Amino acid sequence: GNSVTQMEGPVTLSEEAFLTINCTYTATGYPSLFWYVQYPGEGLQLLLKATKADDKGSNKGFEATYRKETTSFHLEKGSVQVSDSAVYFCALANSGGYQKVTFGTGTKLQVIP
Amino acid sequence: GAVVSQHPSWVICKSGTSVKIECRSLDFQATTMFWYRQFPKQSLMLMATSNEGSKATYEQGVEKDKFLINHASLTLSTLTVTSAHPEDSSFYICSARLDRDGQPQHFGDGTRLSIL
Repeated sequence: GNSVTQMEGPVTLSEEAFLTINCTYTATGYPSLFWYVQYPGEGLQLLLKATKADDKGSNKGFEATYRKETTSFHLEKGSVQVSDSAVYFCALANSGGYQKVTFGTGTKLQVIP
Repeated sequence: GAVVSQHPSWVICKSGTSVKIECRSLDFQATTMFWYRQFPKQSLMLMATSNEGSKATYEQGVEKDKFLINHASLTLSTLTVTSAHPEDSSFYICSARLDRDGQPQHFGDGTRLSIL
């Protein structure tokens, strides 16, 4: 079955530091890949997505590239801000059908001034 | 963009009460909606897939009679926690997606349910 593995948190960084959150997956076929962000007490918001190999998703300074050869979708940001503090979930969904989403366990990011 | 509204955002009630949570897609139609449960500091657990006009598909281990799902229209799905008990206290989140391949799920803001 499908699975998503994320690096364990929490990750604590100073403001303006470089961020990488690793994500690898196992899936049948050619899934779409997503990063969602959850701020305290809120639901999930889509941060970015990629639907095929070598696609790069980007939003708000965050980037992730769909690497089929390494089955990875690592999240990166060049300079984090305090407002980026949240929990980040890597996720995948197979195309077609109900597109059931499989989530990673989430990585909590804390950015300190 | 696609917006999903979930209501209420917070519920506190006595043990034995039934609680209904609504999930609406505000600017798109969703044949399929999803209900998740999230325990503190944990990932989302898919409870069921809600299908418009037909019965929901429940994940293994989720009690169908406990968590009643109704998806009566293309923009509304409801989750009713029947005879809720303290162990049902959790954060419940719904999602919906446009009916096209590759489209992401859009999530509601969640409902925090506290059973006393």
